[in-house]
Amino acid sequence: SQQGEEDPQALSIQEGENATMNCSYKTSINNLQWYRQNSGRGLVHLILIRSNEREKHSGRLRVTLDTSKKSSSLLITASRAADTASYFCAPELNRDDKIIFGKGTRLHILP
Amino acid sequence: DTAVSQTPKYLVTQMGNDKSIKCEQNLGHDTMYWYKQDSKKFLKIMFSYNNKELIINETVPNRFSPKSPDKAHLNLHINSLELGDSAVYFCASSQAGTTNIQYFGAGTRLSVL
Repeated sequence: SQQGEEDPQALSIQEGENATMNCSYKTSINNLQWYRQNSGRGLVHLILIRSNEREKHSGRLRVTLDTSKKSSSLLITASRAADTASYFCAPELNRDDKIIFGKGTRLHILP
Repeated sequence: DTAVSQTPKYLVTQMGNDKSIKCEQNLGHDTMYWYKQDSKKFLKIMFSYNNKELIINETVPNRFSPKSPDKAHLNLHINSLELGDSAVYFCASSQAGTTNIQYFGAGTRLSVL
């Protein structure tokens, strides 16, 4: 069964606004990672949050993790045109250390 | 210096042919992966090798055969290509025993006609 399901599937916002993407998963995890994929490129790691952490920041990125709800969110503040990309969450499963990717959220920043 | 490089970038071929995709990483990682990304952008793991040993083999047709001559290389050979094999294939690497952060190649876009 699929883990790491992102929501929404697509999101369009004006430049300068904040973008929030959500991720849900199904079983216990060691950590959860977020990746970005620009069109026609490979995935690039953005940030990792461990299962015992609740919030983490990196520049304009803020990630939260709620293990009781098995969910995570990625907030990008003050969005820029260069943030246009697909964003994937990737939970690392506790049972076998496997990382599972979903379909991603396609973020489009409007000028 | 590209950390994870895969070739070719594009591959167009006829149904029934056999083709290979090569991947090399210069990060010193001991684990390498092959992923398939379909037209709906769903990224699915196919294989994982750790120090040349197969550790993950998802439900993939046996027409797909990975080969790891050393821990810096993981090649993917596909026999008897089918239309449904059309996708973008990504190679990635990570270092086991750490946070399992994965470094991806730029992808190989395979089109089967």
